[in-house]
Amino acid sequence: AQRVTQPEKLLSVFKGAPVELKCNYSYSGSPELFWYVQYSRQRLQLLLRHISRESIKGFTADLNKGETSFHLKKPFAQEEDSAMYYCALDSSYKLIFGSGTRLLVRP
Amino acid sequence: EAEVAQSPRYKITEKSQAVAFWCDPISGHATLYWYRQILGQGPELLVQFQDESVVDDSQLPKDRFSAERLKGVDSTLKIQPAELGDSAMYLCASSLGFWTSGTYEQYFGPGTRLTVT
Repeated sequence: AQRVTQPEKLLSVFKGAPVELKCNYSYSGSPELFWYVQYSRQRLQLLLRHISRESIKGFTADLNKGETSFHLKKPFAQEEDSAMYYCALDSSYKLIFGSGTRLLVRP
Repeated sequence: EAEVAQSPRYKITEKSQAVAFWCDPISGHATLYWYRQILGQGPELLVQFQDESVVDDSQLPKDRFSAERLKGVDSTLKIQPAELGDSAMYLCASSLGFWTSGTYEQYFGPGTRLTVT
């Protein structure tokens, strides 16, 4: 069965520290994976997608098919990065979301 | 910038009552999605429309939930009768569709928070 697992409900780091939000998936075939973000009082929005291999707001994510992971990383966290982050897997044009990780960046 | 609109933003209803949510997608977006998000969990797809046709409603509890998109534009999600376990955030999203734009990007509305008492 297709599934996305985000093992951490909360990740708290200090400003300037590196960040890694974990995401593991279960999928038969070639996965299409995304990270969505929800800032306080804002709507859910796309942060990045693995297929474009881009860096958005300093965040990157690499698909590791061997470990079935798509971890989100940023070398130096900023306070404005505090938000709820969801990893999502495309399955026949519909998204399967993980349960989310709240990132709290403290000053 | 165009956004997905939803109403109402908040709804409190008693169990066994009927409730309806409305969604207006971004103009030109052929694909429309309804998600349910229970507190502490990620969004879960309830139903997906392509224009006015249902593409996927496998997770929609059809004994009490219904969804329609009559003219292929805005959409309504209805629950009748509501149960305590239906308390959640109901999100609407729209997309141009991969076959149109080459992207799966979905644009989300602000959601309707439903509380069933």
